[in-house]
Amino acid sequence: QKEVEQNSGPLSVPEGAIASLNCTYSDRVSQSFFWYRQYSGKSPELIMSIYSNGDKEDGRFTAQLNKASQYVSLLIRDSQPSDSATYLCAVAKYNFNKFYFGSGTKLNVKP
Amino acid sequence: DADVTQTPRNRITKTGKRIMLECSQTKGHDRMYWYRQDPGLGLQLIYYSFDVKDINKGEISDGYSVSRQAQAKFSLSLESAIPNQTALYFCATSARDNEQFFGPGTRLTVL
Repeated sequence: QKEVEQNSGPLSVPEGAIASLNCTYSDRVSQSFFWYRQYSGKSPELIMSIYSNGDKEDGRFTAQLNKASQYVSLLIRDSQPSDSATYLCAVAKYNFNKFYFGSGTKLNVKP
Repeated sequence: DADVTQTPRNRITKTGKRIMLECSQTKGHDRMYWYRQDPGLGLQLIYYSFDVKDINKGEISDGYSVSRQAQAKFSLSLESAIPNQTALYFCATSARDNEQFFGPGTRLTVL
């Protein structure tokens, strides 16, 4: 069983819509959760981190964490074509001594 | 100047050659990481280091070795390169919160 699972997509949404990206993790001891964006051929860049249950908002991005159900999601409001990229979910556990990335969900935002 | 730099950015080599990839950072982080990424796949952790005297194997360390020469420098070596080590290699750094910052990547091709 993979530590972190994501639907590979592609997820297609029209410009201006809300994009919803989901991630599940297998180990309940996972403590910290991260979303990264990666454009084709480029390095991942951190979008958000979330550590406790609930929602965390940063501009057009909202991360949602539900530890009981072991999932974390990323909502992108007012999606723009420039948001088209692969979104990687990552989790850390054991006081940050273990760190795992999902394989990513490709998002296409159509003008 | 970029916070995390990698050299070389591209490298083509032959089977059996020894290759070194270098990473330097100016973020002042203690933690450094080496990942590889294959097309359409997520990031796989090769090695990580939490300080100059600490080196740990990741998921796929076979065929690789590392050296942490200083807090700011972390090198990855392929002792005898083989074609299935053809991939995109990323270095990353973080503080203890594990929010990782990535270098631009090295595209390695082993013929």
